[in-house]
Amino acid sequence: DGGITQSPKYLFRKEGQNVTLSCEQNLNHDAMYWYRQDPGQGLRLIYYSQIVNDFQKGDIAEGYSVSREKKESFPLTVTSAQKNPTAFYLCASSWVLDRSYNEQFFGPGTRLTVL
Amino acid sequence: KQEVTQIPAALSVPEGENLVLNCSFTDSAIYNLQWFRQDPGKGLTSLLLIQSSQREQTSGRLNASLDKSSGRSTLYIAASQPGDSATYLCAVKRDVRGAQKLVFGQGTRLTINP
Repeated sequence: DGGITQSPKYLFRKEGQNVTLSCEQNLNHDAMYWYRQDPGQGLRLIYYSQIVNDFQKGDIAEGYSVSREKKESFPLTVTSAQKNPTAFYLCASSWVLDRSYNEQFFGPGTRLTVL
Repeated sequence: KQEVTQIPAALSVPEGENLVLNCSFTDSAIYNLQWFRQDPGKGLTSLLLIQSSQREQTSGRLNASLDKSSGRSTLYIAASQPGDSATYLCAVKRDVRGAQKLVFGQGTRLTINP
């Protein structure tokens, strides 16, 4: 089965802790993305990566960090510097080639709650 | 700065009705527009993608249209069913090459009543 997996499905964090969310894809896509979804605010881009060992900040990167050591993996770390980390986090992937038909595919999400 | 708006935020209709969901965007320089479906607590499922050069795309009971000049897209759902109940989001790709940097609307929560 080709697709995107995220783990864990639910994650609880104490204030002051760093946590890492996992995202793996077997679609052989070049690009991977992390979004945050809050109620009533739609999805906002945190970080994205077009190639291994390279990534760029999205619109709300403060308090987050990522790595891209393998093409299929793009973990997101929510650091203690993130003021309001409670949210639903979605990982996605797509081709990078400049095709006009180029969909973005999403994983099932991780719900992070700060206690 | 590109902004995407979806109105209404919520819609409830009886089963069997045809309905239209709206999406508007402020900057017409888009590369493509994508419609997604999201069930509660789940990820997004891609429904349709319209390239900037296209006017519409169809998949089964779904038809999406795009009017770049007016900054609008609509998602038409024919003969609605209770299983269509979900949140529908539209997203536009900023006019840059490479990665699919998307700007999302806030979604329309659709309820189909049996």
